[in-house]
Amino acid sequence: EAGVAQSPRYKIIEKRQSVAFWCNPISGHATLYWYQQILGQGPKLLIQFQNNGVVDDSQLPKDRFSAERLKGVDSTLKIQPAKLEDSAVYLCASSLGGQMGYTFGSGTRLTVV
Amino acid sequence: AQSVSQHNHHVILSEAASLELGCNYSYGGTVNLFWYVQYPGQHLQLLLKYFSGDPLVKGIKGFEAEFIKSKFSFNLRKPSVQWSDTAEYFCAVISNNNDMRFGAGTRLTVKP
Repeated sequence: EAGVAQSPRYKIIEKRQSVAFWCNPISGHATLYWYQQILGQGPKLLIQFQNNGVVDDSQLPKDRFSAERLKGVDSTLKIQPAKLEDSAVYLCASSLGGQMGYTFGSGTRLTVV
Repeated sequence: AQSVSQHNHHVILSEAASLELGCNYSYGGTVNLFWYVQYPGQHLQLLLKYFSGDPLVKGIKGFEAEFIKSKFSFNLRKPSVQWSDTAEYFCAVISNNNDMRFGAGTRLTVKP
Protein backbone atom coordinates (compact mmCIF):
# COMPACT_ATOMS: atom_id res chain seq x y z
CA GLU A 1 0.00 0.00 0.00
CA ALA A 2 1.11 3.56 -0.56
CA GLY A 3 2.50 5.29 2.48
CA VAL A 4 1.67 8.62 4.06
CA ALA A 5 2.59 11.37 1.62
CA GLN A 6 3.80 14.77 2.75
CA SER A 7 4.92 17.86 0.89
CA PRO A 8 7.07 19.79 0.64
CA ARG A 9 10.09 17.87 1.95
CA TYR A 10 11.95 21.03 2.86
CA LYS A 11 10.96 24.64 3.41
CA ILE A 12 12.99 27.69 4.39
CA ILE A 13 11.15 30.87 5.34
CA GLU A 14 11.87 34.08 7.16
CA LYS A 15 10.35 34.72 10.55
CA ARG A 16 6.90 36.30 10.44
CA GLN A 17 6.16 34.66 7.10
CA SER A 18 3.47 32.02 6.71
CA VAL A 19 3.87 28.42 5.57
CA ALA A 20 1.61 25.46 4.88
CA PHE A 21 2.25 21.74 4.86
CA TRP A 22 0.19 19.07 3.18
CA CYS A 23 -0.48 15.47 4.13
CA ASN A 24 -2.24 12.64 2.31
CA PRO A 25 -2.81 9.69 4.65
CA ILE A 26 -3.06 6.02 3.78
CA SER A 27 -6.35 5.32 2.07
CA GLY A 28 -9.03 4.29 4.55
CA HIS A 29 -7.20 5.55 7.63
CA ALA A 30 -9.73 7.55 9.60
CA THR A 31 -7.31 9.01 12.11
CA LEU A 32 -4.68 11.57 11.16
CA TYR A 33 -2.05 13.17 13.35
CA TRP A 34 0.38 16.06 13.03
CA TYR A 35 3.55 15.92 15.12
CA GLN A 36 6.35 18.43 15.61
CA GLN A 37 9.86 17.01 16.03
CA ILE A 38 12.45 19.52 17.16
CA LEU A 39 16.06 18.47 16.64
CA GLY A 40 17.22 16.20 19.44
CA GLN A 41 13.73 15.59 20.80
CA GLY A 42 10.98 13.06 20.31
CA PRO A 43 7.94 13.91 18.23
CA LYS A 44 5.29 15.95 20.02
CA LEU A 45 1.63 15.68 19.07
CA LEU A 46 0.12 18.89 17.73
CA ILE A 47 -3.33 17.77 16.62
CA GLN A 48 -5.36 14.62 16.05
CA PHE A 49 -8.24 14.27 13.59
CA GLN A 50 -10.86 11.55 13.43
CA ASN A 51 -12.26 11.78 9.91
CA ASN A 52 -12.73 15.54 9.52
CA GLY A 53 -13.27 16.33 13.18
CA VAL A 54 -10.65 17.43 15.70
CA VAL A 55 -10.16 14.95 18.56
CA ASP A 56 -7.28 16.61 20.37
CA ASP A 57 -5.63 19.98 19.69
CA SER A 58 -4.60 20.75 23.25
CA GLN A 59 -0.92 21.11 22.33
CA LEU A 60 -1.44 23.16 19.19
CA PRO A 61 -0.30 26.80 19.59
CA LYS A 62 -3.54 28.16 18.26
CA ASP A 63 -2.38 31.75 18.10
CA ARG A 64 -0.20 30.84 15.12
CA PHE A 65 -0.89 27.25 14.11
CA SER A 66 -4.01 25.98 12.39
CA ALA A 67 -4.94 22.70 10.76
CA GLU A 68 -7.83 21.35 8.81
CA ARG A 69 -8.89 18.07 7.29
CA LEU A 70 -11.63 18.82 4.82
CA LYS A 71 -13.59 15.79 3.57
CA GLY A 72 -11.77 13.58 6.06
CA VAL A 73 -8.86 12.74 3.79
CA ASP A 74 -6.03 15.21 3.09
CA SER A 75 -4.91 17.63 5.75
CA THR A 76 -3.03 20.90 5.83
CA LEU A 77 -1.10 22.44 8.70
CA LYS A 78 -0.42 26.16 8.60
CA ILE A 79 1.84 28.43 10.61
CA GLN A 80 1.21 32.16 10.51
CA PRO A 81 3.35 34.01 11.47
CA ALA A 82 6.35 31.71 11.90
CA LYS A 83 8.87 32.12 14.69
CA LEU A 84 12.46 30.93 14.86
CA GLU A 85 11.49 28.26 17.40
CA ASP A 86 9.12 26.69 14.88
CA SER A 87 12.13 25.24 13.06
CA ALA A 88 11.48 21.52 13.20
CA VAL A 89 10.37 18.51 11.22
CA TYR A 90 6.59 18.31 10.90
CA LEU A 91 5.41 14.73 10.72
CA CYS A 92 2.06 13.47 9.57
CA ALA A 93 0.83 10.04 10.60
CA SER A 94 -2.32 8.05 10.04
CA SER A 95 -3.91 4.96 11.53
CA LEU A 96 -6.93 2.73 11.15
CA GLY A 97 -7.55 2.85 14.88
CA GLY A 98 -5.35 4.65 17.34
CA GLN A 99 -4.42 1.58 19.36
CA MET A 100 -2.99 -0.21 16.33
CA GLY A 101 -0.04 2.08 15.87
CA TYR A 102 0.64 4.73 13.31
CA THR A 103 2.28 4.98 9.90
CA PHE A 104 4.43 8.07 9.54
CA GLY A 105 5.24 10.16 6.51
CA SER A 106 8.74 11.37 5.70
CA GLY A 107 8.04 14.76 7.20
CA THR A 108 8.59 18.36 6.18
CA ARG A 109 11.74 19.98 7.48
CA LEU A 110 11.03 23.64 8.22
CA THR A 111 13.80 26.13 8.80
CA VAL A 112 12.82 29.60 9.98
CA VAL A 113 15.56 32.20 9.57
CA ALA B 1 2.71 14.00 34.75
CA GLN B 2 2.35 11.21 32.23
CA SER B 3 5.57 10.69 30.33
CA VAL B 4 7.82 8.36 28.43
CA SER B 5 11.44 8.30 29.58
CA GLN B 6 14.45 7.12 27.66
CA HIS B 7 17.39 7.37 29.99
CA ASN B 8 20.19 6.95 27.48
CA HIS B 9 20.66 9.99 25.29
CA HIS B 10 23.54 8.63 23.23
CA VAL B 11 24.93 5.11 23.16
CA ILE B 12 28.14 4.16 21.38
CA LEU B 13 28.91 0.51 20.73
CA SER B 14 31.28 -1.53 18.64
CA GLU B 15 29.92 -3.99 16.10
CA ALA B 16 28.81 -7.33 17.59
CA ALA B 17 28.24 -5.79 21.02
CA SER B 18 24.91 -6.38 22.73
CA LEU B 19 22.39 -3.57 22.99
CA GLU B 20 19.82 -2.63 25.58
CA LEU B 21 17.98 0.67 25.44
CA GLY B 22 15.82 1.62 28.38
CA CYS B 23 12.25 2.89 28.22
CA ASN B 24 9.98 3.66 31.14
CA TYR B 25 6.50 5.13 31.08
CA SER B 26 4.24 6.60 33.70
CA TYR B 27 0.83 5.98 32.17
CA GLY B 28 -1.68 3.94 34.09
CA GLY B 29 -4.29 1.60 32.74
CA THR B 30 -4.03 -0.20 29.45
CA VAL B 31 -1.03 0.74 27.34
CA ASN B 32 0.22 -0.26 23.93
CA LEU B 33 3.97 0.07 23.52
CA PHE B 34 6.12 0.70 20.47
CA TRP B 35 9.69 1.13 19.39
CA TYR B 36 10.41 3.18 16.28
CA VAL B 37 13.71 3.65 14.49
CA GLN B 38 14.75 6.68 12.48
CA TYR B 39 17.74 6.25 10.20
CA PRO B 40 19.56 9.42 9.19
CA GLY B 41 17.41 11.41 6.79
CA GLN B 42 14.58 8.92 6.82
CA HIS B 43 11.14 8.69 8.38
CA LEU B 44 10.13 6.84 11.51
CA GLN B 45 9.80 3.10 10.99
CA LEU B 46 8.12 0.68 13.33
CA LEU B 47 10.52 -1.87 14.88
CA LEU B 48 8.06 -3.70 17.09
CA LYS B 49 4.96 -3.28 19.19
CA TYR B 50 3.29 -4.79 22.21
CA PHE B 51 -0.46 -4.96 22.67
CA SER B 52 -1.04 -8.00 24.88
CA GLY B 53 0.04 -11.59 25.44
CA ASP B 54 3.67 -12.70 25.55
CA PRO B 55 5.61 -9.82 27.11
CA LEU B 56 8.67 -10.67 25.02
CA VAL B 57 8.09 -9.18 21.60
CA LYS B 58 10.23 -9.86 18.57
CA GLY B 59 10.52 -7.27 15.85
CA ILE B 60 12.33 -6.70 12.61
CA LYS B 61 16.10 -6.78 12.09
CA GLY B 62 16.74 -8.98 15.13
CA PHE B 63 15.37 -6.55 17.70
CA GLU B 64 13.23 -7.60 20.63
CA ALA B 65 11.68 -5.89 23.62
CA GLU B 66 10.36 -7.04 26.95
CA PHE B 67 7.33 -5.55 28.65
CA ILE B 68 7.67 -5.62 32.43
CA LYS B 69 4.41 -4.30 33.81
CA SER B 70 5.60 -4.07 37.41
CA LYS B 71 8.48 -1.85 36.36
CA PHE B 72 6.53 0.17 33.76
CA SER B 73 9.34 -0.68 31.36
CA PHE B 74 9.68 -1.74 27.73
CA ASN B 75 13.40 -2.09 27.05
CA LEU B 76 14.72 -2.73 23.56
CA ARG B 77 17.42 -5.34 23.01
CA LYS B 78 19.57 -6.79 20.27
CA PRO B 79 22.19 -9.48 20.92
CA SER B 80 24.69 -8.28 18.31
CA VAL B 81 24.52 -4.84 16.70
CA GLN B 82 25.71 -3.97 13.22
CA TRP B 83 27.06 -0.73 11.79
CA SER B 84 23.77 -0.37 9.90
CA ASP B 85 21.89 -0.13 13.21
CA THR B 86 23.26 3.38 13.68
CA ALA B 87 20.10 5.46 14.07
CA GLU B 88 17.81 7.20 16.53
CA TYR B 89 15.48 4.97 18.52
CA PHE B 90 12.19 6.16 19.98
CA CYS B 91 9.99 4.47 22.52
CA ALA B 92 6.30 5.37 22.31
CA VAL B 93 3.16 4.67 24.29
CA ILE B 94 -0.50 4.75 23.41
CA SER B 95 -2.63 4.93 26.50
CA ASN B 96 -6.39 4.84 26.86
CA ASN B 97 -6.97 8.03 24.90
CA ASN B 98 -5.36 6.68 21.71
CA ASP B 99 -2.76 9.42 21.75
CA MET B 100 0.80 8.25 20.98
CA ARG B 101 3.46 9.88 23.15
CA PHE B 102 7.16 9.57 22.45
CA GLY B 103 10.28 9.53 24.52
CA ALA B 104 13.09 11.93 23.73
CA GLY B 105 14.94 9.27 21.76
CA THR B 106 18.29 7.49 22.07
CA ARG B 107 20.95 8.00 19.46
CA LEU B 108 22.86 4.79 18.75
CA THR B 109 26.25 4.93 17.09
CA VAL B 110 27.81 1.62 16.10
CA LYS B 111 31.50 1.75 15.31
CA PRO B 112 32.71 -0.63 12.60
